[in-house]
Amino acid sequence: GENVEQHPSTLSVQEGDSAVIKCTYSDSASNYFPWYKQELGKRPQLIIDIRSNVGEKKDQRIAVTLNKTAKHFSLHITETQPEDSAVYFCAASFLSGGYNKLIFGAGTRLAVHP
Amino acid sequence: DVKVTQSSRYLVKRTGEKVFLECVQDMDHENMFWYRQDPGLGLRLIYFSYDVKMKEKGDIPEGYSVSREKKERFSLILESASTNQTSMYLCATAPGGARYEQYFGPGTRLTVT
Repeated sequence: GENVEQHPSTLSVQEGDSAVIKCTYSDSASNYFPWYKQELGKRPQLIIDIRSNVGEKKDQRIAVTLNKTAKHFSLHITETQPEDSAVYFCAASFLSGGYNKLIFGAGTRLAVHP
Repeated sequence: DVKVTQSSRYLVKRTGEKVFLECVQDMDHENMFWYRQDPGLGLRLIYFSYDVKMKEKGDIPEGYSVSREKKERFSLILESASTNQTSMYLCATAPGGARYEQYFGPGTRLTVT
């Protein structure tokens, strides 16, 4: 069935290091892959997304890569800062009854230590 | 800026009560969604709507119903609240068409005692 797996569930890094979060999806027809950041007590916010016709997208310190053959995509954060500490969710689009919906991963809690 | 609001940030209800959660958006988005968020389970889709008076079941619709009488408003209804429905409920909207990006409301933390 429809599934998105996300790893790791927790990630701890030192300030300035890089962080990588990986997701795999089950439906080869998925064509949209967003990443959301949720700070403590706040709503999830879209930080970057990629469509299946692109292999990589970058926005300042964050980048997303997509491997359609292997059905996995990753979030890369470089030069991490304490304000990057949050829960990050990946998602993939799935077609259901003619309509697109998103299936989310379980989330990764990222802690950046000064 | 997309503005998505939810009627309550915190709600405490008793088992068996009927509960209404409301979501309102001001960006004329076609699509609206209700999720519940539980630790370790991510965001799970309860119901969604792609048009007024239209609804589709998500992955965990049991025990819930929805109503969309106006484009800007999407309500989640718990007909008879149970303790296993204690959770964070998040509403989201999306523009529609080929635009799938979703924008979330602040969430309602519901406790059923």
